[in-house]
Amino acid sequence: EVQVVETGGGLIHPGGSLRLSCAASGFIVSSNYIYWVRQAPGKGLEWISVIYAGGPSYYADSVQGRFTISRDNSKNTVYLQMNNLRAEDTAIYYCARGGITSASPSFYYSYSMDVWGQGTTVTVSS
Amino acid sequence: QSALTQPPSASGSPGQSVTISCTGTSSDVARFNYVSWYQQHPGKAPKLIIYEVSKRPSGVPDRFSGSKSGTTASLTVSGLQAEDEADYYCCSYATNINVFGSGTKVTVL
Repeated sequence: EVQVVETGGGLIHPGGSLRLSCAASGFIVSSNYIYWVRQAPGKGLEWISVIYAGGPSYYADSVQGRFTISRDNSKNTVYLQMNNLRAEDTAIYYCARGGITSASPSFYYSYSMDVWGQGTTVTVSS
Repeated sequence: QSALTQPPSASGSPGQSVTISCTGTSSDVARFNYVSWYQQHPGKAPKLIIYEVSKRPSGVPDRFSGSKSGTTASLTVSGLQAEDEADYYCCSYATNINVFGSGTKVTVL
């Protein structure tokens, strides 16, 4: 079964650090785009980061310089290192696999998110 | 990186159709055919229902359809059913980033 499972959330003080994990099964993370998306309580979805199959990674302005996305191919897992956390980072954090469209005989990445985890909750509070 | 604009709410009776708009800019919705739509029920993870403007993933009913014109994308839900009551989010690619819409709550009357 193709799935992703997020872990690592919790309660953290402002200014603290936390590392979230996104463990994949049923597919290889190094061949896919992996996204992190968050949802603050009662609010909408916010895209925060992506790591492409080729390695480049990108961030939303709101987390640039504080969050780092990385990948451990041996564990088939993607991480989100979150530093200097703020109250406004409080949210459910989802990881998602990027969609791939077949275009025989090749394929391309469709910049959509087709497999989502259940999310992990991060609460930043003193 | 401003959020795409969606109406906060939409509603319709069972069997009717509802259309949700998603307005972006020349840097995102208008520039790329990489608009996707997600359905989210309370307490659940989002679910992909439309990708690349108008394509449906396997298993998504053909009651869901998408389109785009200029800076505005649209999602239409035809033949509304009770289980369609949920929050809906659009999302567009915009050169190395993605931007979500503000979300629309669909109520089935």
